Amino acid sequence: EVQLVESGGGLVQPGGSLRLSCAAFGFVFRNSAMSWVRQAPGKGLEWVSTITAGGGSTYFADSVKGRFTISRDNSKNTLYLQMDRLRDDDTAVYFCARGQSGPDYWGQGTLVTVSS
Amino acid sequence: DVVMTQSPLSLPVTLGQPASISCRSSQSLGYSDGNTYLSWFQQRPGQSPRRLIYKVSNRDSGVPDRFSGSGSGTDFTLKISRVEAEDVGVYYCMQGTHWPRTFGQGTKLEIK
Repeated sequence: EVQLVESGGGLVQPGGSLRLSCAAFGFVFRNSAMSWVRQAPGKGLEWVSTITAGGGSTYFADSVKGRFTISRDNSKNTLYLQMDRLRDDDTAVYFCARGQSGPDYWGQGTLVTVSS
Repeated sequence: DVVMTQSPLSLPVTLGQPASISCRSSQSLGYSDGNTYLSWFQQRPGQSPRRLIYKVSNRDSGVPDRFSGSGSGTDFTLKISRVEAEDVGVYYCMQGTHWPRTFGQGTKLEIK
């Protein structure tokens, strides 16, 4: 059974940093592109970033480009999102999802709150 | 960026009746490999999104056959043949052809 388990969310001050992790189970992680999608409270879905299966290519939404970094450790079956220079409008539930063109499996999400 | 426009944004439906959601993209979603990467997601209250349809019309495993997707180019539709109580939630279309990936605003389906 495919499972994606996010962790690392929490409360952080504006300008601070946070690293999210997503542990993957039940499939061959190194063969799958992976994505992060976020959802601000009461709002819709917003694609954040994608990394290809081997990690050679990464893509970012303009809203996070230059501040967020996506990476993966295929030996640990884990996806990461390093978030720096956080802003109030980064407050959201962050979902890890498998795939890049229409993710087929999603984690339960981890809440990131940016507030002073 | 490709803008995805859904309509309606609110959809009250009587149990057992059909429902239809439109999704229009600002650019064609046909890709050079011959595929069209348009997906539909359902998000029930308090849950993570769940993919229902991929590449316009392919239903995911376990998705009831009352859900169907159609369309091409820039114009796409999700149809529910007979709405059931468990279908309540928000439905999103998403394009996976162009970078950055983009979602529609969401359509909230409720029971009348």
